[in-house]
Amino acid sequence: EIVLTQSPGILSLSPGERATLSCRASQSVGSSYLAWYQQKPGQTPRLLIYAASSRAAGVPDRFSGSGSGTDFTLTISRLEPEDFAVYYCQHYGNSPPMYTFGQGTKLEIK
Amino acid sequence: QVQLQESGPGLVKPSQTLSLTCTVSGGSITSGTYYWSWIRQSAGKGLEWIGRFHTSGSTNYNPSLKSRVTISIDPSKNQVSLKLTSVTAADTAVYYCARGGRVHDNWGQGTLVTVSS
Repeated sequence: EIVLTQSPGILSLSPGERATLSCRASQSVGSSYLAWYQQKPGQTPRLLIYAASSRAAGVPDRFSGSGSGTDFTLTISRLEPEDFAVYYCQHYGNSPPMYTFGQGTKLEIK
Repeated sequence: QVQLQESGPGLVKPSQTLSLTCTVSGGSITSGTYYWSWIRQSAGKGLEWIGRFHTSGSTNYNPSLKSRVTISIDPSKNQVSLKLTSVTAADTAVYYCARGGRVHDNWGQGTLVTVSS
């Protein structure tokens, strides 16, 4: 079973700064199967990035995803007040079908 | 715009069966090639995928829950159902239904289920 480890657990930054969030897989995974979600307090998770680097519909271009193999990154180029939330990475494995989530990174206002 | 809405008891006693329903509006659950998943979120375990149903009739479950889970659909009501048997306090969580394939692009608002006597 793939284990996803996200770091840091908490990231404190100011609006306008650049955020870099990491997701490390316990073994190499295909980029097509790595996604990122954003969850604000009291809200449902929202798909941000799929296939490691493709933005979902309506996602601002300040959000970008990159990586391959075991190391993936979500970057927010210039933080807006509405970006402070918890971010999760997710892997989809198809043999057998299984979805695994990281434990999340909380992005908080410094 | 497809919308998902979970419903069911908010309190379940230990050892009993948790039963939830996800009602889908704005589109048929039997059209397209989507999977309909149940995912839960607890403070202790974060986001955990429970299982999914495909309109072909196939189901897949998280191995850690497989012995206790059944997911089914009712096309006449456009609903996806979850049954989780022999619940314990560890099953206390917010339960979401979600649509997707490799990713979940549409989620319900979630429903909190507490397991307690």
